[in-house]
Amino acid sequence: AQKVTQAQTEISVVEKEDVTLDCVYETRDTTYYLFWYKQPPSGELVFLIRRNSFDEQNEISGRYSWNFQKSTSSFNFTITASQVVDSAVYFCALSEALYDGGSQGNLIFGKGTKLSVKP
Amino acid sequence: DSGVTQTPKHLITATGQRVTLRCSPRSGDLSVYWYQQSLDQGLQFLIQYYNGEERAKGNILERFSAQQFPDLHSELNLSSLELGDSALYFCASSAGLGASTDTQYFGPGTRLTVL
Repeated sequence: AQKVTQAQTEISVVEKEDVTLDCVYETRDTTYYLFWYKQPPSGELVFLIRRNSFDEQNEISGRYSWNFQKSTSSFNFTITASQVVDSAVYFCALSEALYDGGSQGNLIFGKGTKLSVKP
Repeated sequence: DSGVTQTPKHLITATGQRVTLRCSPRSGDLSVYWYQQSLDQGLQFLIQYYNGEERAKGNILERFSAQQFPDLHSELNLSSLELGDSALYFCASSAGLGASTDTQYFGPGTRLTVL
């Protein structure tokens, strides 16, 4: 069965610290898609990144970077030099492809990690 | 701003009542998804529509129903409301059928409070 686990419920850091948010997933498919979303205190869900299972390259976008490792079924998210504006709940999500080559479409979310960045 | 709009932003109602949540997808997107976010269940997929047709169903209660109209906006109808239905309801949209082709962008959500 498909599942996303974010073991860290809450993390608190001081501004300028680096922080890594862990995500471990389970899936029966060989083709799947991984996502990170951010939910700031205002409540909306903001898309951060999408990764296909066949693309294991790590990605960096400004202060954000993502480490995808199929061998350990992990898709971790690192924020470098954290800022107060990074305070939010971060969700990792998984979507599978159907065996017939179509797309299941819906996202399976982890429980989220609440990040608090203190000045 | 994701381009997905949801109304109303807040809704307060009583048990046993019926409400309708509305969603307008991003321009050009054909798929609409509904998700429920509650403290105990987290973010859960409810239902997906693609170009007016139901595409996938998740943990949606029989008291809940949805539809997508010819102009592609969608409505989620919640009836016989219970206290446990209090949650944040999100709508998302994507260009195609799902994750193999595109990304879901979320609206700001509708916070439903059932008293």
